[in-house]
Amino acid sequence: AQSVAQPEDQVNVAEGNPLTVKCTYSVSGNPYLFWYVQYPNRGLQFLLKYITGDNLVKGSYGFEAEFNKSQTSFHLKKPSALVSDSALYFCAVRDMFSGGYNKLIFGAGTRLAVHP
Amino acid sequence: DVKVTQSSRYLVKRTGEKVFLECVQDMDHENMFWYRQDPGLGLRLIYFSYDVKMKEKGDIPEGYSVSREKKERFSLILESASTNQTSMYLCASRLAGDNEQFFGPGTRLTVL
Repeated sequence: AQSVAQPEDQVNVAEGNPLTVKCTYSVSGNPYLFWYVQYPNRGLQFLLKYITGDNLVKGSYGFEAEFNKSQTSFHLKKPSALVSDSALYFCAVRDMFSGGYNKLIFGAGTRLAVHP
Repeated sequence: DVKVTQSSRYLVKRTGEKVFLECVQDMDHENMFWYRQDPGLGLRLIYFSYDVKMKEKGDIPEGYSVSREKKERFSLILESASTNQTSMYLCASRLAGDNEQFFGPGTRLTVL
């Protein structure tokens, strides 16, 4: 079965330090991978995606993610965390069996807390 | 910018009531989605619509129905609300064939 796992419920980081939010996936074939962020009392906002090409993908707000096929991972990273990065982060993968519908399968989410 | 709006940010209903959640998008997107978000479970797809009057069941359609009479509007209906439908409901839209979905702000529904 296709799935996305975010192994950490919460990640705590000091402001200015690098951050990593982990995501692993299990799909058939080449995955389409996404990261979304949800700020308090808001809907999800798109951060970045990997479809093909360079394994390092750059996105909004200084975030980037590295696609690693051998480890089936797509970890979200930022070199220097800000308090304003505190939010709920979701990893998602395209459902390869949804045909042209391109449905997404979401992970459970990881709460990032950046402390001053 | 794509804008997806939802009719209510917070809603409180009683068990057995019929509940309507409305979603409107202004970018002429063909595809629209309804998810529910619960802690520890992420987003789960309830229903989606790939065009006007078209609908497909998602992963958890039981207890829900939908209506898409116009391209810009996608309604989620709880025929008889139950306490286990207390949740955050998120609507999203997308251009057909594209990958990125655009989300509304969500409706937090409480069923008493």
